[in-house]
Formats: sequence, C-alpha cells, structure tokens
Amino acid sequence: EDKVVQSPLSLVVHEGDTVTLNCSYEVTNFRSLLWYKQEKKAPTFLFMLTSSGIEKKSGRLSSILDKKELSSILNITATQTGDSAIYLCAGCWNTGNQFYFGTGTSLTVIP
Amino acid sequence: DAGVIQSPRHEVTEMGQEVTLRCKPISGHNSLFWYRQTMMRGLELLIYFNNNVPIDDSGMPEDRFSAKMPNASFSTLKIQPSEPRDSAVYFCASSSQVNQPQHFGDGTRLSIL
Repeated sequence: EDKVVQSPLSLVVHEGDTVTLNCSYEVTNFRSLLWYKQEKKAPTFLFMLTSSGIEKKSGRLSSILDKKELSSILNITATQTGDSAIYLCAGCWNTGNQFYFGTGTSLTVIP
Repeated sequence: DAGVIQSPRHEVTEMGQEVTLRCKPISGHNSLFWYRQTMMRGLELLIYFNNNVPIDDSGMPEDRFSAKMPNASFSTLKIQPSEPRDSAVYFCASSSQVNQPQHFGDGTRLSIL
C-alpha cells in the first residue's frame, strides 16, 4: 500500500536553531512530492519536488528530493517563532493522480 | 484574488441530523478535493473531482457520505445521518490540474454531539 511517513512527529527548538524535517514514501509510479505548512487553519503550499537532487529554496526554507532513498527533507534555518506549525508532506502517484498526506511534523519554536 | 471559500466555518449538530458542507473553488481551477482531518488519522482524501466529474471516491468512509459538483464553481459534501465519529475538520481544496499544488480553504470544523 502506498504511504507517506514523516519524522519526527514533533519537535521543539529555540529561535535561531536549524531544523530538518524528514519525509519518506513507499510508492509505485511516483510523480511528485509536496510540502505544506499548516498553522491554525488551512495548509499552505511550500514546495513541489519532482526531480531528484535539485534543491528548492524560499527564504530560510529549502527542500530536496532523493528518489534513490525515496525521501525528502525540509530544512529551516535561523528558525523564528512564526515557523511554529505543522509541516505536511504529500506524495502524488501516477496511478491515482491524487495526493496522499503524511501525518505531519509539529514544530514549536521557543523564543 | 479570492481563494477557496468554504461554509460554514463551524457546525455543531446532534447525531442523526443531515449536514451539508459547501465549497467554492478558485475560479479556473479544474480539480476539486474534499479532505477530512483528525488528530488520529491526519489529513485524509475523501473524494476528488476533475472537470466536475467525480474521479475517485474510494476515501469516502461509507454510504452516509456523498459529494456533488453541479458546476465548476460549487461543490457540496453531505453527511446523512451524521454520527459523533464524523467530528473533524473538513477541508476543500482546488488546483489548476489534478497533479498540481492544491490551494486549501479554511475548513469547516464539524462537531456531532
């Protein structure tokens, strides 16, 4: 059965720390992997990854896909309290043309 | 530019009642998705439409759940009869194409007493 697994489940860091969130997937006919940030309400889109080894970057956030290892990481440098959120990873497979979400990593950044 | 609009924002009702959740996708988006989010199971896809046609409803938990998309700008998710275990946040999302990033609405927080 296709699935997406995220780790750690939760993380507490201090402002200024760098964090790495992990997402692994077991899938046939992989198409793309997406990262979302969910604060109080709706998930908001961060990155879409389709090619292995190519880093996507937006400010202090970056992400990369490793198709050989069937995984992706999301890095956040110089964390701020506003980074506190649940970070969701979702995989898209050709067969279903739909997205399967992991259960997320809850990040708390302490001042 | 308006995002995905869901209504109501909150719904509290007694078990056995019919519940209807509504969604207006982003104009021009061809794909619409209904999700349910709980602490235990995370974000689960219930059903998705492409060009107003239901493509995959395998995530719909049981016959009490039904979804329609009568036109490109409106969709409903109905639960009849509702049960306490249906309590969750229900999200609607849309995308320009099925395999493109989805834009989520703010969700409907449903509580069945």
